[in-house]
Amino acid sequence: QSALTQPPSASGSPGQSVTISCTGTSSDVGGYNYVSWYQQHPGKAPKLMIYEVSKRPSGVPDRFSGSKSGNTASLTVSGLQAEDEADYYCSSYAGSRPQFGTGTKVTVL
Amino acid sequence: EVQLVESGGGLVKPGGSLRLSCAASGFTFSSYSMKWVRQAPGKGLEWVSSISSSSSYIYYADSVKGRFTISRDNAKNSLYLQMNSLRAEDTAVYYCARVTMVRGLDYWGQGTLVTVSS
Repeated sequence: QSALTQPPSASGSPGQSVTISCTGTSSDVGGYNYVSWYQQHPGKAPKLMIYEVSKRPSGVPDRFSGSKSGNTASLTVSGLQAEDEADYYCSSYAGSRPQFGTGTKVTVL
Repeated sequence: EVQLVESGGGLVKPGGSLRLSCAASGFTFSSYSMKWVRQAPGKGLEWVSSISSSSSYIYYADSVKGRFTISRDNAKNSLYLQMNSLRAEDTAVYYCARVTMVRGLDYWGQGTLVTVSS
């Protein structure tokens, strides 16, 4: 029951794009199209940003996009804005035991 | 509007017990599976436990199995987590979350802090 692997940090200047990877196995990320991404600002609860690999809930800006290839999912934030600075976590359906990623801190330079 | 409000956190000594509650509103609670997720200070998210809509299916992380019990009362729109034999490593903010297979954890509560310390 290992966590999904994410880079600890990522950064970009306002207006640039940043991509975060989430690597799992064929038992989680690679086995299902049920990857979701969560944004968490300090002291706040996580917020769903992407579900089913690439779908956005109502209200989430289209600057946020998701994709998947094999056992690795990715979240791309285009046109970075100051408010995008936060921690991001991926998660994958994995049967009865869901997996979370290790988390990535995104810094807007 | 979907709302999840946790309560019951606090300071407890190692070996002690605590019961967390999560009050749900704004949706048909009895139709959704629910989860507890925790976050230790400065750490990432950790799944703790899941319960299906009718309580037929219940799962626990290995780290809490045998010590924590998840339950729900659909008549009261409430989710619970009974935590026994608490350890220092259980110190965390505990979140309840609504979950679907397709959308994942689509709504989260604000969290309640549990501190296990002598």
